[in-house]
Amino acid sequence: NAGVMQNPRHLVRRRGQEARLRCSPMKGHSHVYWYRQLPEEGLKFMVYLQKENIIDESGMPKERFSAEFPKEGPSILRIQQVVRGDSAAYFCASSPGTGEETQYFGPGTRLLVL
Amino acid sequence: GDSVTQMEGPVTLSEEAFLTINCTYTATGYPSLFWYVQYPGEGLQLLLKATKADDKGSNKGFEATYRKETTSFHLEKGSVQVSDSAVYFCALSGKAAGNKLTFGGGTRVLVKP
Repeated sequence: NAGVMQNPRHLVRRRGQEARLRCSPMKGHSHVYWYRQLPEEGLKFMVYLQKENIIDESGMPKERFSAEFPKEGPSILRIQQVVRGDSAAYFCASSPGTGEETQYFGPGTRLLVL
Repeated sequence: GDSVTQMEGPVTLSEEAFLTINCTYTATGYPSLFWYVQYPGEGLQLLLKATKADDKGSNKGFEATYRKETTSFHLEKGSVQVSDSAVYFCALSGKAAGNKLTFGGGTRVLVKP
């Protein structure tokens, strides 16, 4: 997971607030993936992005969740009007996108909704 | 769709014991297979991988062989240490799925001195 940066590492929100999670991929990587890990569970795919494009969002909840990966700057996972069930660890991973498919993970953002 | 099944934990072992974590998968085509390890409070680290049938991935004394005939990728280590205590995740990815990873539920391993 060297090189993938996520912030904040911990985020506390009250119900109804917005959460913004940031991910900076490894240098030279143009593909970003977001995964969610609920307590005591495995990771579930949420969304796959390349610069300025959402490639696969089949794992994203239909409402309140959105993701972007702009031309400049980090990838953002945004959760609007958070609910207690959104409490989880959110991990970002990146890959080069050159046929090398290994994904390298960041340390995660642990979201707690009060 | 793709799926990964791995043995449930926790697995409790004594130091220097032999460790096996079973992993089987269902996938379209020929996926790549991975083992990731998660230490407490941290993200996932790639432990080893195999990209085609009969490949053996190895790292830090851990090994796993891609068995297409049994659709398995079991993780083994001959002599565990206390520092191997962690949660281990088996995963697969395939171009048909856009390279997204499908994970098993994770197996918690606790190694006692």
